Amino acid sequence: EDQVTQSPEALRLQEGESSSLNCSYTVSGLRGLFWYRQDPGKGPEFLFTLYSAGEEKEKERLKATLTKKESFLHITAPKPEDSATYLCAGSSGSARQLTFGSGTQLTVLP
Amino acid sequence: GAVVSQHPSWVICKSGTSVKIECRSLDFQATTMFWYRQFPKQSLMLMATSNEGSKATYEQGVEKDKFLINHASLTLSTLTVTSAHPEDSSFYICSARLGAGGYEQYFGPGTRLTVT
Repeated sequence: EDQVTQSPEALRLQEGESSSLNCSYTVSGLRGLFWYRQDPGKGPEFLFTLYSAGEEKEKERLKATLTKKESFLHITAPKPEDSATYLCAGSSGSARQLTFGSGTQLTVLP
Repeated sequence: GAVVSQHPSWVICKSGTSVKIECRSLDFQATTMFWYRQFPKQSLMLMATSNEGSKATYEQGVEKDKFLINHASLTLSTLTVTSAHPEDSSFYICSARLGAGGYEQYFGPGTRLTVT
């Protein structure tokens, strides 16, 4: 059974305090590892797709990396507006369904 | 680009009635759309995968007679919750996969359903 596990469940940072979110996965026939951001009461917003171990992608203060067993979302010098739930998902199957982790709720304090 | 809309954004209905939720890809064609359900403080749970012009594929434990999905065109999928009960109250989110060869899913803003 495909599984995606995220840690920590919740993370509180001071503005400017860099950190990393972890996503470990066991997805057979993985066809991509995805990161999304979700604000309360809204649908997930696409951030990154990673396809192979060693791949890295960056967007503003966020950088996503991928190994054979896990992915990290690094947040550099976060700002309060980065506060959200960050979701990791693995894609598999002929329809490329997503299996989501439970998310990390990030709070950045000013 | 890659914008997905949902309508309505919230709906309140009485127990026993049916509710239809629309999901549209606004600036791209989506051969495959997905429907998810999300409970408070929980992650997204895939309900079904719908392909344009064919029957939806439902995940284990999801009642296909209760959650009717129609994907009549490349830009529109609908989810109808039939004979709704209070336990069907939830946040329903759709997504659309970008193109036949694409892997990314783009999500709609969600629909909050409350059954009284």
